[in-house]
Amino acid sequence: EDKVVQSPLSLVVHEGDTVTLNCSYEVTNFRSLLWYKQEKKAPTFLFMLTSSGIEKKSGRLSSILDKKELFSILNITATQTGDSAVYLCAVSTQTDKLIFGTGTRLQVFP
Amino acid sequence: GAVVSQHPSWVICKSGTSVKIECRSLDFQATTMFWYRQFPKQSLMLMATSNEGSKATYEQGVEKDKFLINHASLTLSTLTVTSAHPEDSSFYICSAAKDRGGETQYFGPGTRLLVL
Repeated sequence: EDKVVQSPLSLVVHEGDTVTLNCSYEVTNFRSLLWYKQEKKAPTFLFMLTSSGIEKKSGRLSSILDKKELFSILNITATQTGDSAVYLCAVSTQTDKLIFGTGTRLQVFP
Repeated sequence: GAVVSQHPSWVICKSGTSVKIECRSLDFQATTMFWYRQFPKQSLMLMATSNEGSKATYEQGVEKDKFLINHASLTLSTLTVTSAHPEDSSFYICSAAKDRGGETQYFGPGTRLLVL
């Protein structure tokens, strides 16, 4: 059975801290891995990763994929209260489906 | 571009009634639409995939007679929760894709359903 597992489930940090969110997967017909940020409504897209070892970066956020070990990490540096959200990892399959992980709830306090 | 809307945003209904949720792609034609359900503090679970003009494909464990999906046009899909019960209370999110989906899904804002 395909599965995507994220850790930790929940994280509480102070502003300015750096956080690393983990996503591991066991999915047949893997095509790509995606990260989303969800703040009470629909997920908003952050990154799509298809190749191992190539870091994607957007401001204070970055992500990398390891297709050999079947995991990805999402790093957020110098966290701000606006980063508080649930971060979802999803794997896209060759059958055009998205399989979502359990999510990591991040709370950033001032 | 690639905006998806859902209506209503919030619905509260009595047990036993049916509720219809609309999902519209506002500025593109959606070949494929997906319906997800999200329980509190849980992740999105795919319920079904629908293609315009054909029957929806339901995921294992999702009752097709309870969750009726109609993808009548390239910009509109509807999900009807029939004879809703309190355990159907959830956050329902649709997504739309210009092609078969996968990575290129654009998500709607979601509909929160509360069944009393």
